[in-house]
Amino acid sequence: DIVLTQSPGSLAVSLGQRATISCRASESVESYGNSFMHWYQQKPGQPPKLLIYRASNLESGIPARFSGSGSRTDFTLTINPVEADDAATYYCQQSNEDPYTFGGGTKLEIK
Amino acid sequence: QVQLQQSGPQLVRPGASVKMSCKASGYSFTSYWMHWVKQRPGQGLEWIGMIDPSDNETTLNQRFKDKATLTVDKSSSTAYMQLSSPTSEDSAVYYCARKTDYWGQGTTLTVSS
Repeated sequence: DIVLTQSPGSLAVSLGQRATISCRASESVESYGNSFMHWYQQKPGQPPKLLIYRASNLESGIPARFSGSGSRTDFTLTINPVEADDAATYYCQQSNEDPYTFGGGTKLEIK
Repeated sequence: QVQLQQSGPQLVRPGASVKMSCKASGYSFTSYWMHWVKQRPGQGLEWIGMIDPSDNETTLNQRFKDKATLTVDKSSSTAYMQLSSPTSEDSAVYYCARKTDYWGQGTTLTVSS
């Protein structure tokens, strides 16, 4: 199975500043020129919400403050500038190879 | 609009089979694989597997091969997941999701005697 390691496990960012979350895969999640890495936001009591698909594509309706980058095994989710509503847990997921594994999550606190 | 309506919370005894549903609307049900994801209280997300409603092809996480059975009813655009011989380790919220983009609200399963 592909293991996804997210870092940090938690972070606190001041309102208006930048938040950066990393996701490292144990092997490449790239096929046919596409990186099958996705990012989700989850708030307590809610299902995950897709933010970024295939590494860098912003899902419809998601603010442009969210961006994704990376390839092969190293990926980053950036939120800039952070807003109070961004307080949540963020997960990466790969769908290049089954089982479609998730990272362990990063809890974002807004200061 | 796309909606995935999941069945309500369930409280079951250990060992009793459980089946939950996910009714899709707002899109062509047979055009997208349906995924199932487990989340234990306070824990992360775990992918269970997926089913292609057009031909019932199923891909299961090997960790769940003896636990979960995925089926669909095309006539009602509903996906089902059955869990066999549940234990306390199966107490969790279970989500259905259309590929990666749309998710149901989750079904809370509590396994307790």
